[in-house]
Amino acid sequence: GEDVEQSLFLSVREGDSSVINCTYTDSSSTYLYWYKQEPGAGLQLLTYIFSNMDMKQDQRLTVLLNKKDKHLSLRIADTQTGDSAIYFCAEMGRNRDDKIIFGKGTRLHILP
Amino acid sequence: GAVVSQHPSWVICKSGTSVKIECRSLDFQATTMFWYRQFPKQSLMLMATSNEGSKATYEQGVEKDKFLINHASLTLSTLTVTSAHPEDSSFYICSAAVDRNEQFFGPGTRLTVL
Repeated sequence: GEDVEQSLFLSVREGDSSVINCTYTDSSSTYLYWYKQEPGAGLQLLTYIFSNMDMKQDQRLTVLLNKKDKHLSLRIADTQTGDSAIYFCAEMGRNRDDKIIFGKGTRLHILP
Repeated sequence: GAVVSQHPSWVICKSGTSVKIECRSLDFQATTMFWYRQFPKQSLMLMATSNEGSKATYEQGVEKDKFLINHASLTLSTLTVTSAHPEDSSFYICSAAVDRNEQFFGPGTRLTVL
């Protein structure tokens, strides 16, 4: 079946950039997403990118998509303590009736 | 805009009882609502997809008689966990889709079965 993989943990110093990586297998992906889950809270959609785009920037967030390698990344510039959360990569596949598959989430830890 | 609410946010029940969880889209009409389950330290697992007025489509391995889904209107879907057992304890999250583009997630419901 289709799969979304991402590393489980990332530690970054406050003020540095965080880069969270994700790979997926479904070649019929239409949209790719980054969600943020803060402790005890539901998922929050951070940003998404259409599969025919290479890059999307939104304030401190930059999403890069390499469709050939099926690789998605989320860069958070000037990482703050409030960015500490679990970040889920997800993709929606045309061949799966638009169901979303999530990765296991990357826990971002901010070092002082 | 695009707010999805869930009720209750946290429920504790005794083993053998049934629990109903509501998912509402507050300021939009959702053509489709999805129910996810999140196990500790794991990603979300899609349980079922429901469209208003039709039967829910369940993912493989999800018991439809145990997890009853009713999509009564374009703004309300309910998930009923029947005869709950401790292994059903989990975080249940719904999402509502306006179109193919975006799903808006509810805040989740934490179910604890004693």
